[in-house]
Amino acid sequence: GENVEQHPSTLSVQEGDSAVIKCTYSDSASNYFPWYKQELGKGPQLIIDIRSNVGEKKDQRIAVTLNKTAKHFSLHITETQPEDSAVYFCAAIGSGGGADGLTFGKGTHLIIQP
Amino acid sequence: SAVISQKPSRDICQRGTSLTIQCQVDSQVTMMFWYRQQPGQSLTLIATANQGSEATYESGFVIDKFPISRPNLTFSTLTVSNMSPEDSSIYLCSVGSGAVPAQYFGPGTRLLVL
Repeated sequence: GENVEQHPSTLSVQEGDSAVIKCTYSDSASNYFPWYKQELGKGPQLIIDIRSNVGEKKDQRIAVTLNKTAKHFSLHITETQPEDSAVYFCAAIGSGGGADGLTFGKGTHLIIQP
Repeated sequence: SAVISQKPSRDICQRGTSLTIQCQVDSQVTMMFWYRQQPGQSLTLIATANQGSEATYESGFVIDKFPISRPNLTFSTLTVSNMSPEDSSIYLCSVGSGAVPAQYFGPGTRLLVL
């Protein structure tokens, strides 16, 4: 089955700086890579996703890059703000497809220092 | 977008008892899922709730322990049966489509078993 590794487990950055979270996956047939943000006491929120036919996708201060050859994808947050503090999860859908093929990373606790 | 509500939001239960968690969506959805998130951990899919048929369970989860109902396209319940302290977790309902399987999550039910 799919295996998703996420690093770092905790990331502390100064407000205004950029943050990068990296994930690697094992199944070369994986074709969908979502990122979720989970604030304290809330459910995860899908913030951006990318499919295997593109290398980069941007949405305002958030971007995701995908390197299929190396089997890794990254979340980039620029000009970080206090409200970006949360736990971020990456995920990948393996060759099985559907939610039963969606494997999550272990999460990154992002801390924005004022 | 879909708005998901869960009841109860949290509960403290005695071991050996059962708790039923409700998930209500504000629109008809094809795919509905139940996840477990143990303290400080990532998300694990328990089962896919199928409308009109039995739920499809992931490895390590069985119907006797986690019976699921899905009477229509907007509602589902998950029961945690014969609870033990190891069942203490956040239980999350999620909905999506074939293209984006876990697109929206509910706020979660925080369960503590004593």
